[in-house]
Amino acid sequence: GAVVSQHPSRVICKSGTSVKIECRSLDFQATTMFWYRQFPKQSLMLMATSNEGSKATYEQGVEKDKFLINHASLTLSTLTVTSAHPEDSSFYICSALHSWDSHNEKLFFGSGTQLSVL
Amino acid sequence: GDSVTQMEGPVTLSEEAFLTINCTYTATGYPSLFWYVQYPGEGLQLLLKATKADDKGSNKGFEATYRKETTSFHLEKGSVQVSDSAVYFCALSTSYDKVIFGPGTSLSVIP
Repeated sequence: GAVVSQHPSRVICKSGTSVKIECRSLDFQATTMFWYRQFPKQSLMLMATSNEGSKATYEQGVEKDKFLINHASLTLSTLTVTSAHPEDSSFYICSALHSWDSHNEKLFFGSGTQLSVL
Repeated sequence: GDSVTQMEGPVTLSEEAFLTINCTYTATGYPSLFWYVQYPGEGLQLLLKATKADDKGSNKGFEATYRKETTSFHLEKGSVQVSDSAVYFCALSTSYDKVIFGPGTSLSVIP
């Protein structure tokens, strides 16, 4: 089946530094990818929709200057957490939309990235 | 707005016990309904789905039926195994850019 690779799986960084998370669709092209954030014992919250070749669409309350999203190719989207602070510590998950045709679509999720900001 | 409510966990069951995780939803229109599973240290995986009323999704012994009249999509399994220990998320979608997840229910199955 389709595979979405997310890297790194875990990252620890100092406050004030920036962290880049990659999301790759390994065996299909994805014009649309999504970034979610998951706090402990809570559900996933959609942060933004990443569209290849255009600007990402951010959900209400998500700072676009804080969470930079780039979708430069059909197989790669990146999320950069800029000037990270301890409150940004969370589990970040990406998903990629695989479309066979207009009637067959499926979301595939990455394995997630645990970000810890010290 | 659209929302999903799940029974609170954690749920602890003995092996071979019957499992039910309740899920109810509110939505405008006619959403598709999903159950996702997250095993420890892994990402989400689609477990099953149903796209219209009275559809039954099934996979790996799990089942859920789309009940429009009760706006429910309860997850059931007749005999759970230790390997079923995970967090289960009920979700709805009216389009792929708007997938609404429930809070998740943690299941622990003990031998």
